[in-house]
Amino acid sequence: DIQMTQSPSSLSASVGDRVTITCQASQDISNYLNWYQQKPGKPPKLLIYDASNLGAGVPSRFSGSGSGTDFTFTISSLQPEDIATYYCHQGGTFGPGTKVEIK
Amino acid sequence: EVQLLESGGGLVQPGGSLRLSCAASGFTFSNYAMSWVRQAPGKGLEWVSLISGSGGSTYYADSVRGRFTISRDSSKNTLYLQMNSLRAEDTAVYYCAKDPGQYCSDGGCYPTYFQHWGQGTLVTVSS
Repeated sequence: DIQMTQSPSSLSASVGDRVTITCQASQDISNYLNWYQQKPGKPPKLLIYDASNLGAGVPSRFSGSGSGTDFTFTISSLQPEDIATYYCHQGGTFGPGTKVEIK
Repeated sequence: EVQLLESGGGLVQPGGSLRLSCAASGFTFSNYAMSWVRQAPGKGLEWVSLISGSGGSTYYADSVRGRFTISRDSSKNTLYLQMNSLRAEDTAVYYCAKDPGQYCSDGGCYPTYFQHWGQGTLVTVSS
């Protein structure tokens, strides 16, 4: 089974900061890597699919990159409404999540 | 607008059964694979099961294989999850999710990505 690791597990940043989260797969997964945002008490929301494609209606400050085993998710300018937990996902496996807070 | 509405959750004793439903609208139901994804309280996301658009192919996580059964009724635009032999570790919010397709690798088939999610239904397994 493919394992997904995510780092950091949590982070605190200021409004306007650039935020980066990484996800690593245990084997080559090409570009089959997705990113979701989940706010407390809400279902997840698709942000990025196939490593770098922006989901419908998702603001352009969110972006993704990578291929093979190493992937990056970036928020170019953190906004208060971006406070959430972010998960990477491939097939039947989710990463453990990264909780993003405002400093 | 795509809408997915889960129902059927509740409190059940260990060893008991429960059937979840997910009513879909706003898209051609039979054209899309559908999955169930769960989230234990305070924990991360876990994919549970996938069914093809036709309903002819089903796939399960190892943790539920042999106990859970996914199915769909295209005449009712509804997805189901029959859960038997429930355990305490099955306690979670269960989400249904719409998937543009599936991919197969290493003898198994898996979802691609989850475009839309329902609001979830809570299943609690406890005596």
